Amino acid sequence: KAGVTQTPRYLIKTRGQQVTLSCSPISGHRSVSWYQQTPGQGLQFLFEYFSETQRNKGNFPGRFSGRQFSNSRSEMNVSTLELGDSALYLCASSLAEGRAADTQYFGPGTRLTVL
Amino acid sequence: AQSVTQLDSQVPVFEEAPVELRCNYSSSVSVYLFWYVQYPNQGLQLLLKYLSGSTLVESINGFEAEFNKSQTSFHLRKPSVHISDTAEYFCAVGGGGSYIPTFGRGTSLIVHP
Repeated sequence: KAGVTQTPRYLIKTRGQQVTLSCSPISGHRSVSWYQQTPGQGLQFLFEYFSETQRNKGNFPGRFSGRQFSNSRSEMNVSTLELGDSALYLCASSLAEGRAADTQYFGPGTRLTVL
Repeated sequence: AQSVTQLDSQVPVFEEAPVELRCNYSSSVSVYLFWYVQYPNQGLQLLLKYLSGSTLVESINGFEAEFNKSQTSFHLRKPSVHISDTAEYFCAVGGGGSYIPTFGRGTSLIVHP
C-alpha cells in the first residue's frame, strides 16, 4: 500500500501570499489530520477531517483552513502568510472513526518558508 | 485535558551504549500511549504503542517502553543504540474523550560513533 503523500515537499512564499497544501491518505483511511511542526513549539494540531467534515480543530487563527474531498484527499490553505507560518506541515491519516487507539500514519511533510 | 512531558530535549549517547528517553503524561482517565520516531527530512512513524495488557511493549528494532500507571510514565529504552537510531522521538497520549493524540515536544537522540 502506498503511504501518505504530500505535495509539494517544499514551498517558498512571501508575506501576504496564500498557499494550498495537499495530502493523499493511505487508501481506505478516512480520517486526515494536519499538524504544524516548528522547533520552538513542537508538533501542534491544526484540524482533523472525516467524511468531508471537520471534526476537530486546534487553536489556530482563521487564516488556517482545510477541506476534505469525497476520495478522502485533503487540502489545507493558509491565507495572508506571516513569517511565523514558516514550518513543516504534516498530514496524518488513520483508519477508523473516533478511535483513540488508532495509529497515525504521517506523510513526509511540506516545508513552507515565508520570506 | 491531557498533556505529555518529555523531560529531555536532547540526549547524546555513544554507539552501543544504553539509552532511556523519558515521557510523563497527565490524564484522569485510561489512556493509550505511543512513541513515534522522526528521521531527518521524514514524517513521523510509529515505533510502538501501549493499548492494554502487558505493560512492557517492544518494537521490531530493539526499543521497548514500559507503562507505569502509578508514575504516569512511559519511558523508552534501548540496551544498545546504533548510529542509525539518531532521530527525533515523540511521545504521545490518546484517549480520555479525545481521539486526537497529544504529542510531547520531542527528544532528539544523537548517537555518536
